[in-house]
Amino acid sequence: ILNVEQSPQSLHVQEGDSTNFTCSFPSSNFYALHWYRWETAKSPEALFVMTLNGDEKKKGRISATLNTKEGYSYLYIKGSQPEDSATYLCARHNFNKFYFGSGTKLNVKP
Amino acid sequence: EAGVVQSPRYKIIEKKQPVAFWCNPISGHNTLYWYRQNLGQGPELLIRYENEEAVDDSQLPKDRFSAERLKGVDSTLKIQPAELGDSAVYLCASSLGLVGEIDTQYFGPGTRLTVL
Repeated sequence: ILNVEQSPQSLHVQEGDSTNFTCSFPSSNFYALHWYRWETAKSPEALFVMTLNGDEKKKGRISATLNTKEGYSYLYIKGSQPEDSATYLCARHNFNKFYFGSGTKLNVKP
Repeated sequence: EAGVVQSPRYKIIEKKQPVAFWCNPISGHNTLYWYRQNLGQGPELLIRYENEEAVDDSQLPKDRFSAERLKGVDSTLKIQPAELGDSAVYLCASSLGLVGEIDTQYFGPGTRLTVL
């Protein structure tokens, strides 16, 4: 079992603030890292899949970076909006298994 | 394209009762996963199917949990009898089952089970 940790556990920001959170994981035998957004009462939605050290992915106001050597990934949200409120999950993909962190719950206040 | 469908969305039962969850994956997806998410934790894999074959069920509590994926499409997860500790969200996901490439999972909305 791979320990994937996310911090902070929850985050409250004001609309317009930029924010970021962390996913850390064992760096050995790295294969891929996935980020998901999970809004209440909806299905978790895939945001990014990252494989290479130094990878940077962007989707609108959301971006992510990856450091496989030290075992962490950052997710950034620029100019948070209330619709960004969700739980953000990361998962380390190891062969055919996905090991999830417990998520960061983001609440963006209007 | 329809996403992963799960039913029911919510279920409340008393302990020792049986319960079943149903999942219809995305058409053409060979791999199907069942996860359990306990409060405050990340999803944990219960079972993974490649077509109709269960290829990883090491985390499935086999004394009370069972699963099937007939004809390699829909899947059912059953608990009998349910215990208080089974209260959780049960997520189903599917993927193409790519070999040698990164496979992305697509999730259903989950079934929230409450055992009283």
